[in-house]
Amino acid sequence: GAVVSQHPSRVICKSGTSVKIECRSLDFQATTMFWYRQFPKKSLMLMATSNEGSKATYEQGVEKDKFLINHASLTLSTLTVTSAHPEDSSFYICSARVTSGIYNEQFFGPGTRLTVL
Amino acid sequence: AQTVTQSQPEMSVQEAETVTLSCTYDTSESDYYLFWYKQPPSRQMILVIRQEAYKQQNATENRFSVNFQKAAKSFSLKISDSQLGDAAMYFCAYRSATGTASKLTFGTGTRLQVTL
Repeated sequence: GAVVSQHPSRVICKSGTSVKIECRSLDFQATTMFWYRQFPKKSLMLMATSNEGSKATYEQGVEKDKFLINHASLTLSTLTVTSAHPEDSSFYICSARVTSGIYNEQFFGPGTRLTVL
Repeated sequence: AQTVTQSQPEMSVQEAETVTLSCTYDTSESDYYLFWYKQPPSRQMILVIRQEAYKQQNATENRFSVNFQKAAKSFSLKISDSQLGDAAMYFCAYRSATGTASKLTFGTGTRLQVTL
């Protein structure tokens, strides 16, 4: 199956700094990528949907100035958490959707655990 | 808006036995997809099985099968011959068939324990 990678897998940062998480589709092109946030023992919460070459669409309640999403190519999307605070600590998961096939299959990255001190 | 409900926060099954995880959803659409995803302790989301709403036949993938009741808006997952590796969080998800950027809507998940 298609592979989605995320980097880094874990990051610890100080409060007030910015952190960038990369999401790559390794063996397919994805016009649409999704970013999720998952709290412990909870479900995935969609933060935003990004399409290559255009601005991301953010879900209600997600601060777009705080969670900057860039989808510069068909294989790369980045999420930057700006001025991170301890409440931003969470598990962030990206997902990429293939553009071919009838199902438009969606594949998930392994996630990034962010800890803000 | 569509909603997905998983009413069983936790389930337990003995190895080699069968377990059924429940899922109901609410939608006004007629064309959509339903999914079951598995999230093991590694946190990697893995697609277990999918069902197209226009298909009456229930999807099957080896030991995993679904009972899709469109009129009742029910989509349960049956795991046969349970194995220790089946222990994970299981999420039911809905996605509209309209538009390539349609979003997945997840349920709250069911944690499955597999005992010896």
